Amino acid sequence: QVQLVQSGAEVKKPGSSVKVSCKASGGTFSSYTISWVRQAPGQGLEWMGRIIPILGIANYAQKFQGRVTITADKSTSTAYMELSSLRSEDTAVYYCARGSSGWYLHWGQGTLVTVSS
Amino acid sequence: EIVLTQSPGTLSLSPGERATLSCRASQSVSSSYLAWYQQKPGQAPRLLIYGASSRATGIPDRFSGSGSGTDFTLTISRLEPEDFAVYYCQQYGSSPRAFGQGTKVEIK
Repeated sequence: QVQLVQSGAEVKKPGSSVKVSCKASGGTFSSYTISWVRQAPGQGLEWMGRIIPILGIANYAQKFQGRVTITADKSTSTAYMELSSLRSEDTAVYYCARGSSGWYLHWGQGTLVTVSS
Repeated sequence: EIVLTQSPGTLSLSPGERATLSCRASQSVSSSYLAWYQQKPGQAPRLLIYGASSRATGIPDRFSGSGSGTDFTLTISRLEPEDFAVYYCQQYGSSPRAFGQGTKVEIK
């Protein structure tokens, strides 16, 4: 049974950074991609980027280039998403999702990141 | 970069009715690499359809997907009470992946 368990809610100041973790269990961690998708309050889903753990290669949506870093630790089957220079518009629920052939069958429970002074 | 536009924004229907949701891509989606998700309040999205028309495991057959190129459709043949939710399409044929803005199916 595949499970993705994310770290807990965060409250951050504008200009700071946040790092969210996503620990996978069940299945082979390195065989899949891990993507990060966010959802602002009352809004739709927004793809941020993904990593291929077996290669350690990440790619990002243009909108987040330079502000987001996605990494993966194969030894602990954990992926991380770090977003810097936070602003109020970054307040959202952040999801990790496991991709097999591009679609996302397994999702984390979501992590609420609130950016507020 | 492919942009997905879903219509309508909101669909007001009664249980038992048929729902037809549209997803239009700004460029052709290669190999029909399009998925549909259902999301209920406070929950993560749930995969319904991948490859434009293949149902994910455990998804009832009242959900069906069709289309190719730039035009895709999700059909719910007879709405059950649990089907009232927001639905998103997603393309995975090219990077960056992208989601549509969603269609809310609400009870009339």
